[in-house]
Amino acid sequence: LAKTTQPISMDSYEGQEVNITCSHNNIATNDYITWYQQFPSQGPRFIIQGYKTKVTNEVASLFIPADRKSSTLSLPRVSLSDTAVYYCLVGDVRTGTASKLTFGTGTRLQVTL
Amino acid sequence: DGGITQSPKYLFRKEGQNVTLSCEQNLNHDAMYWYRQDPGQGLRLIYYSQIVNDFQKGDIAEGYSVSREKKESFPLTVTSAQKNPTAFYLCASTDPGQGAHGANVLTFGAGSRLTVL
Repeated sequence: LAKTTQPISMDSYEGQEVNITCSHNNIATNDYITWYQQFPSQGPRFIIQGYKTKVTNEVASLFIPADRKSSTLSLPRVSLSDTAVYYCLVGDVRTGTASKLTFGTGTRLQVTL
Repeated sequence: DGGITQSPKYLFRKEGQNVTLSCEQNLNHDAMYWYRQDPGQGLRLIYYSQIVNDFQKGDIAEGYSVSREKKESFPLTVTSAQKNPTAFYLCASTDPGQGAHGANVLTFGAGSRLTVL
């Protein structure tokens, strides 16, 4: 199982771009990378998912280098409401198999004015 | 709307008592998960289930038990053997049959906060 490592915390000012990197050195061929956002006393919610190169949606971008040993979540122009904990999750996606989805410690992002 | 319902939202337990946390989903997902979260910490996996009548231990299964008699339901029992059960408990589900976007995309409930008195 691929273990993930993230910075414990990051600080940013409102309006800046924030990049959070996750290390997953032993990622397997069948593993996808998924990022979640969690606010206090709530369950995490899906942000973005990718396998390789770059993925972009309406809220974030995900950059994955060719060796897939790391990934970077990019949040453009953060606001105070982006203050949360961000988790990367690496898991096997073979069809029909529920894998042991284990979260890392997450990155606590604090956005200020 | 489809989703996951956890109950109760808050629960108080006396030492030595067993308590059961409910998790119900109407998403038609095959896989279900239970996580524990302590203050300021990440999520730790307790148990997960791929399908009805099947479940696997996670990283911190000691002191907990689960059942999966119906696809929609995955209750978690916190037994008296769990020495420090005060925590926030989260239930989640996925649909592995949907390929990459299904298998890794967990839908979470709102959580149950258990406090031992």
